Amino acid sequence: GESVGLHLPTLSVQEGDNSIINCAYSNSASDYFIWYKQESGKGPQFIIDIRSNMDKRQGQRVTVLLNKTVKHLSLQIAATQPGDSAVYFCAENMRTNAGKSTFGDGTTLTVKP
Amino acid sequence: DSGVTQTPKHLITATGQRVTLRCSPRSGDLSVYWYQQSLDQGLQFLIQYYNGEERAKGNILERFSAQQFPDLHSELNLSSLELGDSALYFCASSSHGISYGYTFGSGTRLTVV
Repeated sequence: GESVGLHLPTLSVQEGDNSIINCAYSNSASDYFIWYKQESGKGPQFIIDIRSNMDKRQGQRVTVLLNKTVKHLSLQIAATQPGDSAVYFCAENMRTNAGKSTFGDGTTLTVKP
Repeated sequence: DSGVTQTPKHLITATGQRVTLRCSPRSGDLSVYWYQQSLDQGLQFLIQYYNGEERAKGNILERFSAQQFPDLHSELNLSSLELGDSALYFCASSSHGISYGYTFGSGTRLTVV
């Protein structure tokens, strides 16, 4: 139940498995990246961020990896739970660009019990 | 509750009409961002205000306008509405002029009939 490298619009995993959600960003000048989670009927919710001077950052059950060489970002969710079912978006920023975030295409994660 | 309040939650209106969407940012946040989310285009940046002044503009139609008031709440005005304007409109706020992650409201679902 995981994918590496390729952005998929949907991802289905078994409860308890690890999930990897991928994102390709567009601007090599982007220097700050964010992952958001959007549950049905709600606005996107900040999960974790990473600056371009880092290649990995860990949160609670989540890890973000950044590969600037290929302009790729991934979100790893450990021990995926049904409550993790949502649409996940990556966003890229340039801190010189007045804070405007450019959002990638979302990935819908479905967790099967 | 994210702290960002959007009203109304739902709006149904006819083509050609004008509507106003309202957003109150999280307490202490000076920046307000408006995004449009449609099924086929993901989250599209419309406009940003920082402490009452327009800071950045995205692909916002001329029929759309926004402002941020001295109390920092913001309004997005949509006029001469078309069927294609049907979408979710999200407001987000951040404490910096340059975003380090947004707090989103729950959105206003606009349906143009």
